[in-house]
Amino acid sequence: GQNIDQPTEMTATEGAIVQINCTYQTSGFNGLFWYQQHAGEAPTFLSYNVLDGLEEKGRFSSFLSRSKGYSYLLLKELQMKDSASYLCAVAYDYKLSFGAGTTVTVRA
Amino acid sequence: SQTIHQWPATLVQPVGSPLSLECTVEGTSNPNLYWYRQAAGRGLQLLFYSVGIGQISSEVPQNLSASRPQDRQFILSSKKLLLSDSGFYLCAWSGQGLNEKLFFGSGTQLSVL
Repeated sequence: GQNIDQPTEMTATEGAIVQINCTYQTSGFNGLFWYQQHAGEAPTFLSYNVLDGLEEKGRFSSFLSRSKGYSYLLLKELQMKDSASYLCAVAYDYKLSFGAGTTVTVRA
Repeated sequence: SQTIHQWPATLVQPVGSPLSLECTVEGTSNPNLYWYRQAAGRGLQLLFYSVGIGQISSEVPQNLSASRPQDRQFILSSKKLLLSDSGFYLCAWSGQGLNEKLFFGSGTQLSVL
């Protein structure tokens, strides 16, 4: 089976940094994705890691350690529009298996 | 550019009624197609995926079925809806590789009453 864990909720202040952790145990691994989902909307792609290390894309960075089954998404210079759910997903066998998501609330 | 269309956006159906949700993709050929369901406050659960016309893989036993009558058309159906079928249904497509990202449709909010 697939087991993907991430915290349920996080709260941070506008302008701050938040790190969302994701641990996984899956039967296969072809990469790890992070998606952003605003309430009532479809998820949108944020980042992808297949090799160990840090991928930076503007205010968002994602890190992967395959040996530890661990990833994190780093959101810098938080803005109110970053309030959303962040989904960690593992790719295997032409599919993506998703974690339950982390709801991030940004306060003024 | 590629686009994915999913309809309807919202649907309220009585228990025991049939269901048909349709999804079409434009601007690409031979996509992998997926149906996910998201219960309120929960993660995305993969229901079905398809790597080609007429090829359907089911991930969980349930009251639903899927069909792919054309290369870029994916349909989710039920003969008799249950209360537990309520949720946010998302269609998605990807390329044919092992690590392709998913592009999601806008979703259908289904309420079974």
